[in-house]
Amino acid sequence: DTGVSQNPRHKITKRGQNVTFRCDPISEHNRLYWYRQTLGQGPEFLTYFQNEAQLEKSRLLSDRFSAERPKGSFSTLEIQRTEQGDSAMYLCASSLVSDMIYNEQFFGPGTRLTVL
Amino acid sequence: AQKITQTQPGMFVQEKEAVTLDCTYDTSDQSYGLFWYKQPSSGEMIFLIYQGSYDEQNATEGRYSLNFQKARKSANLVISASQLGDSAMYFCAMREGLRGSTLGRLYFGRGTQLTVWP
Repeated sequence: DTGVSQNPRHKITKRGQNVTFRCDPISEHNRLYWYRQTLGQGPEFLTYFQNEAQLEKSRLLSDRFSAERPKGSFSTLEIQRTEQGDSAMYLCASSLVSDMIYNEQFFGPGTRLTVL
Repeated sequence: AQKITQTQPGMFVQEKEAVTLDCTYDTSDQSYGLFWYKQPSSGEMIFLIYQGSYDEQNATEGRYSLNFQKARKSANLVISASQLGDSAMYFCAMREGLRGSTLGRLYFGRGTQLTVWP
């Protein structure tokens, strides 16, 4: 296991379609995070899981977005009825469970979504 | 209010020279951590260096050092002896203390695009 992987790397879809992304964290990592990065901006937090429990969701995560981590391993992020404003890089990160402030999050390569 | 502010959209430096990338932060927590990440054009975020709010010494990692000025709430990244491969987007990020639902998330700035020229 060499790191966090994300699939697909690129997705082009038409407005109104549903899309699903997958993230496979580093195997021993219990925490998994989703971020969204639009052009010219830094990543913005969307949600995170500890094992299979979704512990926090950002206001950015509208009703059209849903994330799951059914068995506490991989996670999926689904966007329903995509809009052009959803075009962005979707980044996944994972980390160990720790109460330390220094708890490095390891990022995947991202999925770049383009909504036409 | 922005949690992390990076005021330099772009910076240019000649190879082998040092460069400082600015970062200021805003938090009312006493316990927090500051991170710098590098993002090449390929997209992955690469962790560079970390500074804890209680750390008395400035963090250093190889050619990277962090100029931490707590009273000014600044955490500038210094890259010494720049290399062509350092050309990338650099993000400053913060993780706040262990309270409530904020545990875990990172707040990022808008980034600084560094270009190293020969």
